[in-house]
Amino acid sequence: EAGVTQSPTHLIKTRGQQATLRCSPISGHTSVYWYQQALGLGLQFLLWYDEGEERNRGNFPPRFSGRQFPNYSSELNVNALELEDSALYLCASSGRTRTWTQHFGDGTRLSIL
Amino acid sequence: KNEVEQSPQNLTAQEGEFITINCSYSVGISALHWLQQHPGGGIVSLFMLSSGKKKHGRLIATINIQEKHSSLHITASHPRDSAVYICAVLNFQGAQKLVFGQGTRLTINP
Repeated sequence: EAGVTQSPTHLIKTRGQQATLRCSPISGHTSVYWYQQALGLGLQFLLWYDEGEERNRGNFPPRFSGRQFPNYSSELNVNALELEDSALYLCASSGRTRTWTQHFGDGTRLSIL
Repeated sequence: KNEVEQSPQNLTAQEGEFITINCSYSVGISALHWLQQHPGGGIVSLFMLSSGKKKHGRLIATINIQEKHSSLHITASHPRDSAVYICAVLNFQGAQKLVFGQGTRLTINP
């Protein structure tokens, strides 16, 4: 069974640009979660999508947005990039089971120059 | 105060030592995860607990719901266990998001 896949592995942008990060969940999983891990900080919840809808959002400005496609893959978009957006962005997926266990991808490292 | 607190923040030990990492939380939870993050960022889910104790190889995780505390133990530690270990709690009541501890950086020296 293929795990959660994220692309690209690394992404380099400059301030003010826009970044798009992609995530493919484990087959059969309907929920996708996005997390940010900035340098020296812990993981922080960004967004939760389930069945194509945004279900919950962390304390991030509106320039962080995303969507979930009919095949349950997801995009995270970050507009008007700022230096502090440099971080590892992790995607996780879960199925509609009793435990909602989340499975993590390897992440996209976004660097803002 | 963070909702999830881990201790210690950093831990260095010699190969073979018994390792304990602690996690305390202040919110009601439905489940608690222990995650392992290796250099480079990849995260592996080690355990998900809602009660009692789980064991996988040299790793043991326990949780005390009443005391809002969990521990991760590593027996016969090995340099390949060197990683950041993260405790994360999940509340099923509407939020469906993990709240993470700051992580414990474990270094096992040969």
